[in-house]
Amino acid sequence: EPEVTQTPSHQVTQMGQEVILRCVPISNHLYFYWYRQILGQKVEFLVSFYNNEISEKSEIFDDQFSVERPDGSNFTLKIRSTKLEDSAMYFCASSGFSEQYFGPGTRLTVT
Amino acid sequence: AQRVTQPEKLLSVFKGAPVELKCNYSYSGSPELFWYVQYSRQRLQLLLRHISRESIKGFTADLNKGETSFHLKKPFAQEEDSAMYYCALRTLSNTDKLIFGTGTRLQVFP
Repeated sequence: EPEVTQTPSHQVTQMGQEVILRCVPISNHLYFYWYRQILGQKVEFLVSFYNNEISEKSEIFDDQFSVERPDGSNFTLKIRSTKLEDSAMYFCASSGFSEQYFGPGTRLTVT
Repeated sequence: AQRVTQPEKLLSVFKGAPVELKCNYSYSGSPELFWYVQYSRQRLQLLLRHISRESIKGFTADLNKGETSFHLKKPFAQEEDSAMYYCALRTLSNTDKLIFGTGTRLQVFP
């Protein structure tokens, strides 16, 4: 059964550094999402992406964040200058016309 | 405001006992509700959606629009049901984003 994959599984970075989190959605899916979960808190929507553009973004998704689908398979989330409060699990999800399938997540630790 | 509330952080039961994980929502439109489950060290996976009205792994959930609830139930809990359970609401917009509750950890003791 096809799955959403994410790399790396764990990323440690210093405050102010740029990070890129990578996702490979399920191949025939059209809708792509990033969510995050700060430790002990709920899973929060960050951004949705369809037809090569952002369709919706949350208040969390400020100018420090960007998403890209650089080729036909990858979907990336970039944080330009990381802050301590960006430490969280970041989940990628993709969907066709029904349920969203989630990746295993990338744990980002900002020190 | 769109919101999903799961009032219990932790629910502990013994094997064979009934389970009810509570979920209430706030949404001005007609919602679509889901239950996602996350077993230890695994990804979030869909357990149930209200429109399919099916039973998965013995779990059922009924959407009650009057009470704005979508509680998850199982008559006889099993040890392998131990996991985090998240209730989620899908807004019927062009983005179909999910709004999650805070989750309930279910512990089933032998």
